[in-house]
Amino acid sequence: GQNIDQPTEMTATEGAIVQINCTYQTSGFNGLFWYQQHAGEAPTFLSYNVLDGLEEKGRFSSFLSRSKGYSYLLLKELQMKDSASYLCAVPSGTYKYIFGTGTRLKVLA
Amino acid sequence: ETGVTQSPTHLIKTRGQQVTLRCSSQSGHNTVSWYQQALGQGPQFIFQYYREEENGRGNFPPRFSGLQFPNYSSELNVNALELDDSALYLCASSPGTPELFFGSGTQLSVL
Repeated sequence: GQNIDQPTEMTATEGAIVQINCTYQTSGFNGLFWYQQHAGEAPTFLSYNVLDGLEEKGRFSSFLSRSKGYSYLLLKELQMKDSASYLCAVPSGTYKYIFGTGTRLKVLA
Repeated sequence: ETGVTQSPTHLIKTRGQQVTLRCSSQSGHNTVSWYQQALGQGPQFIFQYYREEENGRGNFPPRFSGLQFPNYSSELNVNALELDDSALYLCASSPGTPELFFGSGTQLSVL
């Protein structure tokens, strides 16, 4: 079957580093996405990994290991505005995406 | 700004009623998908339209239907509303690349 697992909630302190993990099981693999979603708002694109390794984009980095079915999103120098849900998603077939339940990150002052 | 707009923002309906949600995509985004997101959950795929035809459907009953128009707008229709249909409904469009561009959603409450 197809499944995505990620932690439900995480808490971190402003200025710290946090790593949000995602494990997935899919039939076929066409990349993995991370989206950020503030409460009541649309998910916004953060990263897309197709190949193994780390991709860095400013304070955010995303890692993928296809052999392990594992990815993580790394957030550095946390800011209060980073408090949001972070969604891991994989394309399934040619027309739909499977999303995890999302990880709600709370950044404390 | 994703260039994808949805209306209305919020909607309250009663059980058994019908509802139509609307989405306007960016020019050139000929693929549109609809997702249902219950509170505390990730988005669940409802269906996708490509060039005005449905080309994929998730595990949703036939009372969920849609339309896509030539002007890059689309609709999600839900008949015979049930309490469990209360959720955030997200429209997402794509120009053919893997990335999805989401609208800010319609929050539907069924009483």
